Amino acid sequence: DGGITQSPKYLFRKEGQNVTLSCEQNLNHDAMYWYRQDPGQGLRLIYYSQIVNDFQKGDIAEGYSVSREKKESFPLTVTSAQKNPTAFYLCASSIQTGVNSPLHFGNGTRLTVT
Amino acid sequence: GDSVTQMEGPVTLSEEAFLTINCTYTATGYPSLFWYVQYPGEGLQLLLKATKADDKGSNKGFEATYRKETTSFHLEKGSVQVSDSAVYFCALSDQSSGGSNYKLTFGKGTLLTVNP
Repeated sequence: DGGITQSPKYLFRKEGQNVTLSCEQNLNHDAMYWYRQDPGQGLRLIYYSQIVNDFQKGDIAEGYSVSREKKESFPLTVTSAQKNPTAFYLCASSIQTGVNSPLHFGNGTRLTVT
Repeated sequence: GDSVTQMEGPVTLSEEAFLTINCTYTATGYPSLFWYVQYPGEGLQLLLKATKADDKGSNKGFEATYRKETTSFHLEKGSVQVSDSAVYFCALSDQSSGGSNYKLTFGKGTLLTVNP
């Protein structure tokens, strides 16, 4: 079955360390996205990529970095510059970035930084 | 800017009860409207959508009608089941900004718990 795989499900890191969250999709989608979800808040867009080797900042990109070297992969690095990194991170993809292409989400990675 | 306001949760219902989750929006253009659902421990799934005024989106017994005059997109279901327990998110994408997924604005989510 096609889908989006995020790993690991839970991740623990010490403050000051960079950490990379994995996102892989086998849906052959061009567009991929990273969202952050905090308790009692809606999703906020961190980065998105419309095509391989291209990505754009979302609403809260500071302290994060991404790469898109392959169509199926869009890893997110949470750097030590991110002031409040503890959150639930969701990766998504869509055929294209147009709104008529619905988002498909992974099951998320819960990151805890202490 | 664009915004989405959902009713505060949590909402607790008994099985077979009627469900309404209110959603109102503010947008500068003509948005497309969505309801996404997040089951425990999972990512979001698109539940239904409507792209123009008076459109009704429907799926799995859920319905929502795009009301431009009241800027609302309330989610309803006539008879909820325990399996409907989840967090529901209302969202919009403003067409005047290109109608793009990266312009989606989400509400804060409403937790629904259905008891047997």
